[in-house]
Amino acid sequence: DTEVTQTPKHLVMGMTNKKSLKCEQHMGHRAMYWYKQKAKKPPELMFVYSYEKLSINESVPSRFSPECPNSSLLNLHLHALQPEDSALYLCASSQGNRGYTDTQYFGPGTRLTVL
Amino acid sequence: AQKITQTQPGMFVQEKEAVTLDCTYDTSDPSYGLFWYKQPSSGEMIFLIYQGSYDQQNATEGRYSLNFQKARKSANLVISASQLGDSAMYFCAMRELPDNAGNMLTFGGGTRLMVKP
Repeated sequence: DTEVTQTPKHLVMGMTNKKSLKCEQHMGHRAMYWYKQKAKKPPELMFVYSYEKLSINESVPSRFSPECPNSSLLNLHLHALQPEDSALYLCASSQGNRGYTDTQYFGPGTRLTVL
Repeated sequence: AQKITQTQPGMFVQEKEAVTLDCTYDTSDPSYGLFWYKQPSSGEMIFLIYQGSYDQQNATEGRYSLNFQKARKSANLVISASQLGDSAMYFCAMRELPDNAGNMLTFGGGTRLMVKP
């Protein structure tokens, strides 16, 4: 069983809606990640939070807004999305050490459909 | 240039047989980590196995083992005694020493494994 949880599992939203994706980890990790994955493609990194500070923003459009309220929680706020934003959104966490052994553990993902 | 290459888009294997999924990588960094993940159709990315560049022995985790050939820059995943539940997408990934930007994984394109009963 994964120790990274994500809600909701599925989300359908219109282009004018505002919604949020939530992620929680219970492993005491200090780094958390958002990825976007299109069908039959590898995950693409969107954001990285390290010790609750945003350390990477991979040129993601401003209609995606991340938030890290504490070291266990990570949110992704969505506003005015486009149909091409429909994808599987994966959250991950890791210990956050700067070595190459730092292993990322993923949640089950949220399947987002934008109409 | 691709940093992680998985040359097999799709593979079939008979149940109970062993299968090898290929992964080659490209880095000039002497310190790096290699990871394999399994992604069933449900979507979750499941961490399977890790190999560090300085590790002397090939990594093993249950039915999973890594055939690490450093000089060839390959890190192939071997699954022994395949089970129907092994049918999934498999991703090879690499982490080099981080720059100031943080902890980044580079993924290969994936291999879809289908286990036949």
